[in-house]
Amino acid sequence: QSVLTQPYSASGAPGQRVTISCSGSNSNIGSNPVSWYQHLHHLPGTAPKLLIYSNNQRPSGVPDRFSGSKSGTSASLAISGLQAEDEADYNCAAWDDSLNGWVFGGGTKVSVL
Amino acid sequence: QVLLVQSGPEVKKPGASVQVSCKASGYTFTDYYIHWVRQAPGQGPEWMGCVLPNRGGASYAQKFRGRVTMTRDTSINTAYMELRSLQSDDTATYYCARGFFERVARSPFDYWGRGTLVTVSS
Repeated sequence: QSVLTQPYSASGAPGQRVTISCSGSNSNIGSNPVSWYQHLHHLPGTAPKLLIYSNNQRPSGVPDRFSGSKSGTSASLAISGLQAEDEADYNCAAWDDSLNGWVFGGGTKVSVL
Repeated sequence: QVLLVQSGPEVKKPGASVQVSCKASGYTFTDYYIHWVRQAPGQGPEWMGCVLPNRGGASYAQKFRGRVTMTRDTSINTAYMELRSLQSDDTATYYCARGFFERVARSPFDYWGRGTLVTVSS
């Protein structure tokens, strides 16, 4: 059971916008920045990729189709202009002050219809 | 470019120990935390702890304290994670990952290894 709660799956047609939610508590999302990761699980041996850090910042090289936001104890990741290559698992993460460590969401599998 | 290359898959019996290595290149190894994250089949990722290669001191998730040790060898830019007293529910892919910000433990992970599958089975 993951500390952060995400929907199991999300889907959209190419070009559409998909939003993934991530729900936590005051000790994690409510107090600390959220990051998001993409993992191409259907390609064995691939490494997860940092998509968003500090709630809404994109590392160099991440397309601006990916955006993040946070409000209170929840956060969300939006993917606009959905592309076939966006099919992947997406995880949110945040530092938890009570556990004194990083906590993750269970992951959301995004499918492109 | 930054690369984290992990050791190969392992199969262990219950009660045994496993050590996974993570060789870093493309950056100053001593300036960034190395974190260890595992993901069991069908479950979300789980943070195990981290080590700052410069000092060598490690911080562990409460769940793993007493059973895990994270070390590093700065002469070969390699971090290690040893997990002891393995049980079947330790079967997972174990990843090393670099902290994004220099010398900040509470830093997201910008580069990841490809993972090491550890299977615990009698």
